[in-house]
Amino acid sequence: EVQLLESGGTLVHPGGSLRLSCEVSTFTFNNSAMTWVRQGPGKGLEWVSTIGSNGGKTYYADSVKGRFTTTRDNSKNTLYLQMSSLRADDTAIYYCAQRVLGVERDWGQGTLVTVAS
Amino acid sequence: EIVLTQSPGTLSVSPGERAALSCRASQTVINFLSWYQQKPGQAPRLLIYDASNRATGIPARFSGSGSGTDFTLTISSLEPEDSAVYYCQQRSSWPITFGQGTRLEIK
Repeated sequence: EVQLLESGGTLVHPGGSLRLSCEVSTFTFNNSAMTWVRQGPGKGLEWVSTIGSNGGKTYYADSVKGRFTTTRDNSKNTLYLQMSSLRADDTAIYYCAQRVLGVERDWGQGTLVTVAS
Repeated sequence: EIVLTQSPGTLSVSPGERAALSCRASQTVINFLSWYQQKPGQAPRLLIYDASNRATGIPARFSGSGSGTDFTLTISSLEPEDSAVYYCQQRSSWPITFGQGTRLEIK
């Protein structure tokens, strides 16, 4: 069974930076694209970013482009989301998900990021 | 950007009955349409991918249909644990987009 564990969520001031991590317990990590999805309080799901299996390609939602960067370390089975210039509307639970055959199949439990002064 | 519109917003159905949830795309997504279930305090769970394929471990009472711009998630013989919010998602083109969700209540 694949397990994904996000960490790094906390309270941060507007304009601040934060790095989220997602550790994945599966030998297939190196072969899988990975995705970040977020969910604001009481809101629906919003795709944030997807990174290819070797980190060569990344895709971002317009709402985070230029502020967020997704990377991965395949030697550590870990996915990262570096967030900067944070705004109140970035407040959300951030989920990582493993992409299998183009579909977000396995999800972590999420980590909460709160942007407030 | 492809916009997915789900209807109805909320659906209230009795146990044992059937529920049909709709997802309409602003342009064709071919069959690259998935359905997720999310219960309170939990992460989303993949139910259906590529319009009609059930994910591993998903009960047979969940089925998906449709192609192009119109899709349906059908849950036959509803059970109390099916109470959740259901989202559709397209991966036909970037950016990936989700519908706004349908809340399914079991009476």
